Amino acid sequence: GEDVEQSLFLSVREGDSSVINCTYTDSSSTYLYWYKQEPGAGLQLLTYIFSNMDMKQDQRLTVLLNKKDKHLSLRIADTQTGDSAIYFCAERGDKIIFGKGTRLHILP
Amino acid sequence: NAGVTQTPKFQVLKTGQSMTLQCAQDMNHEYMSWYRQDPGMGLRLIHYSVGAGITDQGEVPNGYNVSRSTTEDFPLRLLSAAPSQTSVYFCASREQGGDNTEAFFGQGTRLTVV
Repeated sequence: GEDVEQSLFLSVREGDSSVINCTYTDSSSTYLYWYKQEPGAGLQLLTYIFSNMDMKQDQRLTVLLNKKDKHLSLRIADTQTGDSAIYFCAERGDKIIFGKGTRLHILP
Repeated sequence: NAGVTQTPKFQVLKTGQSMTLQCAQDMNHEYMSWYRQDPGMGLRLIHYSVGAGITDQGEVPNGYNVSRSTTEDFPLRLLSAAPSQTSVYFCASREQGGDNTEAFFGQGTRLTVV
């Protein structure tokens, strides 16, 4: 069945770049998403990439997709304290399947 | 637009009680789904629906029932609550097809079963 894997924790210094990685199994996925969840809140769509794209850039966010390896990454440039959250990778086939989330911790 | 509205926000149940978590969306989305979020487990899909009258099971459907009599509403029923169902529940909706890809989430229902 479908599965989405991502590391559970990432610690980054303020001002550095954060790279969150994700692997997925469903080769028929049409879209891949990154969602952000702040403490006590719901999920907010950060960005998404269509499965026939390799890269998408949106201000400080860069998404890279390696469809052959089924690997997705989210790079946050100039990481700020407001970026501290849990980041979920998700794939969309006929339903949306989420990874377990990566908790991003910002060091001063 | 209100988006996706979940009620209640918080609920405490005794083991064996039943209840319904409500979810409503006003965006005319065909696709609606329920997830539960547990520490270290991410979001796991309970049930989903691709349109009125159509429902299907996700990863963890046991102990939950759903129905979709209208496009707007997708209630989640717990027939006999168990402590293992203590979790935060999120409802989401999106368009079924087309280029609009975003899934909109409700603010969540925090359920505790004692």
